[in-house]
Amino acid sequence: ETGVTQSPTHLIKTRGQQVTLRCSSQSGHNTVSWYQQALGQGPQFIFQYYREEENGRGNFPPRFSGLQFPNYSSELNVNALELDDSALYLCASSLVGDFYGYTFGSGTRLTVV
Amino acid sequence: DQQVKQNSPSLSVQEGRISILNCDYTNSMFDYFLWYKKYPAEGPTFLISISSIKDKNEDGRFTVFLNKSAKHLSLHIVPSQPGDSAVYFCAASPTTGANSKLTFGKGITLSVRP
Repeated sequence: ETGVTQSPTHLIKTRGQQVTLRCSSQSGHNTVSWYQQALGQGPQFIFQYYREEENGRGNFPPRFSGLQFPNYSSELNVNALELDDSALYLCASSLVGDFYGYTFGSGTRLTVV
Repeated sequence: DQQVKQNSPSLSVQEGRISILNCDYTNSMFDYFLWYKKYPAEGPTFLISISSIKDKNEDGRFTVFLNKSAKHLSLHIVPSQPGDSAVYFCAASPTTGANSKLTFGKGITLSVRP
């Protein structure tokens, strides 16, 4: 049983640029949820993908978007990066509606300069 | 608007003693509560949960207590071990099922001294 893999582990981007973060899903899981964890804060829900469609969204602007692929892996895209986007981005795979079964990846540390 | 609050950023206890980690919430719609543990450079891992129909749930050394009227829950670790040193997040949700999501607190850093 494979876990959740996120790539890259770290990256540095310049304000105004665009970034794509990737997340594999654990075998048997069909849903991917993305969370942003700013320094000193808890993870904050960005959105969730199920059946290749957005299935719930938190309080994040439209420049945060995502995709889910037929193999249930997912991408998080952020356009027009701002300094406040600097954070650890966590993805969690699960079966739909089963947050007890969340398996988190180790995260991608994004720094915007 | 912090709906889940972990007001103490850190806690230090002696090995073998009890660790008590507290969490308060403001949203009365929350019915499901989870505790996660996070080591550096790793993702959070699920520790224990409780739903609003119960006031206590035990799993080995870990017990979670829920006081719905006070909108307060606590995680007790007995006895504490050095390997318990980590960041602990309290999380809550009003529902299970599709579209459910977790609201997390800021976390508490627990240090267990040998």
